[in-house]
Amino acid sequence: DAKTTQPPSMDCAEGRAANLPCNHSTISGNEYVYWYRQIHSQGPQYIIHGLKNNETNEMASLIITEDRKSSTLILPHATLRDTAVYYCIVRVNNDMRFGAGTRLTVKP
Amino acid sequence: NAGVTQTPKFQVLKTGQSMTLQCAQDMNHNSMYWYRQDPGMGLRLIYYSASEGTTDKGEVPNGYNVSRLNKREFSLRLESAAPSQTSVYFCASSEARLGSKNIQYFGAGTRLSVL
Repeated sequence: DAKTTQPPSMDCAEGRAANLPCNHSTISGNEYVYWYRQIHSQGPQYIIHGLKNNETNEMASLIITEDRKSSTLILPHATLRDTAVYYCIVRVNNDMRFGAGTRLTVKP
Repeated sequence: NAGVTQTPKFQVLKTGQSMTLQCAQDMNHNSMYWYRQDPGMGLRLIYYSASEGTTDKGEVPNGYNVSRLNKREFSLRLESAAPSQTSVYFCASSEARLGSKNIQYFGAGTRLSVL
């Protein structure tokens, strides 16, 4: 399984875009990049995933570099309710490995 | 739709006691999972069941057993609880069919303390 590297913490001003980076330099050709978040001590919540193309949904955008060795999750207009731990995961099967994630704090 | 339901929400055990954590999903998903999360850390996979009738070990299976009772229910058993098993336990399920997004949906967690 490929491993991921994320900064331990980031701050963002309310209403601004939050850009969360993730390095996955050993990713294999058939492994997807998934992003989940965990608000306080709730169960993790799916945000978005992609293979090699950029993706957008109602929650966020995912930008994957052409060599697929890194990606960025973008929350276009962060709100206080987006304060959470964000996990970047690469996987191809049922075995999903969570790292420590990035603790995003959105400040008023 | 309740999604993924875990019971109990909280539990305190003494060392050596046994207990079963229950998980049920109403989304007709094929795959189910048990994770544990220790303070300040990410989730670690204990066991999973890719389909009804099958179970497989994850990253940290020692000290646990599981049962996929039917398509809806997946239980986690601690036969002889140890303080090292104090953690928050999350159950998840996913459709996990070929070509599907294979998104995992999580329950609210069971907070277990072993004294």
